[in-house]
Order: sequence, then structure tokens, then C-alpha cells
Amino acid sequence: DQQVKQNSPSLSVQEGRISILNCDYTNSMFDYFLWYKKYPAEGPTFLISISSIKDKNEDGRFTVFLNKSAKHLSLHIVPSQPGDSAVYFCAASARDDKIIFGKGTRLHILP
Amino acid sequence: DTEVTQTPKHLVMGMTNKKSLKCEQHMGHRAMYWYKQKAKKPPELMFVYSYEKLSINESVPSRFSPECPNSSLLNLHLHALQPEDSALYLCASSQAPERQFFGPGTRLTVL
Repeated sequence: DQQVKQNSPSLSVQEGRISILNCDYTNSMFDYFLWYKKYPAEGPTFLISISSIKDKNEDGRFTVFLNKSAKHLSLHIVPSQPGDSAVYFCAASARDDKIIFGKGTRLHILP
Repeated sequence: DTEVTQTPKHLVMGMTNKKSLKCEQHMGHRAMYWYKQKAKKPPELMFVYSYEKLSINESVPSRFSPECPNSSLLNLHLHALQPEDSALYLCASSQAPERQFFGPGTRLTVL
């Protein structure tokens, strides 16, 4: 049973526009949510996180929104840049040293 | 130093070989992790060490044997692997579970 779901395997966005990546979860015990970015043949790189007590966290071009009642979070990237093309993993933690990853969304930024 | 390093970058081994993967971090993190990632899949947790003690083993076959010689080092000893064990093996470290720093990974091929 997938506890963290990313239902869009891929997404294409024009350079300069907003990229919105979505993630759903099922486990109400999760209290931290994270986004990682991964290039081929490299380890995932931490992007941004949000605690379950917040509904928004912003860091430069990246904003994560959390809707606890819907068990849904999203990552907004604005403006999108060519270097943002990568696989983005949504992940969640229940503070037990485990991070559960979604299957990832491949983001293509079009020129 | 905010890096997790892994050696070797690439490893090719036969099914009768014994080899080891190495991971090092100098951030003073209390927890270190091994993940396995197959192509187009999310990272799957294998083992977690917390304060140099094995705290999580996700039912990994005994042909994978982790070792934590000290707080900065994590090894993964490999013996009698199968071709389906070919994958990217990622090491990570963290002080708090909601933010893990990943190494670049070791690309393992089992012939």
C-alpha cells in the first residue's frame, strides 16, 4: 500500500512559468513532509520541507503548501528554469527515522 | 563540511565475489542510512544506524551486511549477490529524521 503517492509520472512546463508538483498521502501520523530533487546518477538533494503544523513554507523560488484535511501537498516552483529539469520526490516522515518516498515526478522545463 | 561521500562510484562484481561499499560523513549526524534505488523507482530503505547501533532493518536478505565502525563511517558488505541486486546504493545521514543528506551513490552491477 503506497503511503505517499505522486500520480503524475511526468510534467512539462514552459521556462518562466509556474511548475506545480502534487503529492497525496494516506498516513495521518506523518508529521514532516519533504521534497527532494534528483538528477540521473546522483543522490537526491533536499529542497524544502514542511511541518504538519504549518500550511505553507517558502524558500526562494520554491514554496510547499500542505492541506492536512485533504492529505495533500504541492510544490510550486516559480519561475521555472532549465536547471529545474529533474525528478522530484515527495517524501514523508513520522519521526521514526524512516522517510517514505513517492514514486517521483519527472519535470521537463521547455525552452 | 556538508557532504556525504561514497566509494566506489561504480562496482561490477560476480555472484561469488565479496565486496564492500563505504560511506562517510563529517557533519556529526547521529543517524546513517542505506537505501537501494532501482531505475525509475523511489529509494527503498534498507538499514538505519542511530548512534552507531542498528535501529532499523527492513527485512533485507543476509547477503547484505551493514557495519558502522564509528559515528562517521558506514559500510555495506556484499556477498553472494544476485543479478537482481544491481541498483544504485545510496547512503544518507541526518541529525533529525525529517532531513536526510544523501551521498552520490554507488552504481552496482552484479554479473
